[in-house]
Amino acid sequence: DAGITQSPRHKVTETGTPVTLRCHQTENHRYMYWYRQDPGHGLRLIHYSYGVKDTDKGEVSDGYSVSRSKTEDFLLTLESATSSQTSVYFCAISDSRTSGSETQYFGPGTRLLVL
Amino acid sequence: QQQVKQSPQSLIVQKGGISIINCAYENTAFDYFPWYQQFPGKGPALLIAIRPDVSEKKEGRFTISFNKSAKQFSLHIMDSQPGDSATYFCAGHSGGSNYKLTFGKGTLLTVNP
Repeated sequence: DAGITQSPRHKVTETGTPVTLRCHQTENHRYMYWYRQDPGHGLRLIHYSYGVKDTDKGEVSDGYSVSRSKTEDFLLTLESATSSQTSVYFCAISDSRTSGSETQYFGPGTRLLVL
Repeated sequence: QQQVKQSPQSLIVQKGGISIINCAYENTAFDYFPWYQQFPGKGPALLIAIRPDVSEKKEGRFTISFNKSAKQFSLHIMDSQPGDSATYFCAGHSGGSNYKLTFGKGTLLTVNP
């Protein structure tokens, strides 16, 4: 998985609680992304980062926030988890400095269940 | 909304047959079109990709056909094998400074032995 780890890999939580998912990379890639994957919807971009402390919203950002204080770590926070946020969350990275840099490499995913 | 429409949602093919998955896009600014393959419980992985100045790209049994005027591209899997059974996603890349991918909704391919 291209030097990408996600933690936790599985989480069960209750509605209304905050949840933080972590993505860690060892590739020193500039860009990092958070997606959610749901049946019938494919992969949808939540937030992305183009550098330390530089982040922007994706198409499904409501209810989520992100932070990137170091190149290697990108955190996704569900401020108050809802059942609609039950999903599989994937982190991805890409490197703007190399040829073919459009390629995104995905982590193994975090399966989140909100009860 | 910059969309990528993918079809079919699911596909069943016999071993040795040809699997064909189609995608259509709207954003003419897309500059790169990758296909990702995803096995159950795993993250998507890049399978093959094409740029819009090329009409076809082949890597082993996998071929992308690209029609710029029709804004369509397709993945062909020749001599399909049970090990090809997976979900396939097409995507379009937004260039400039955003480096974002817009994904199709995926196709679940099942190759029967």
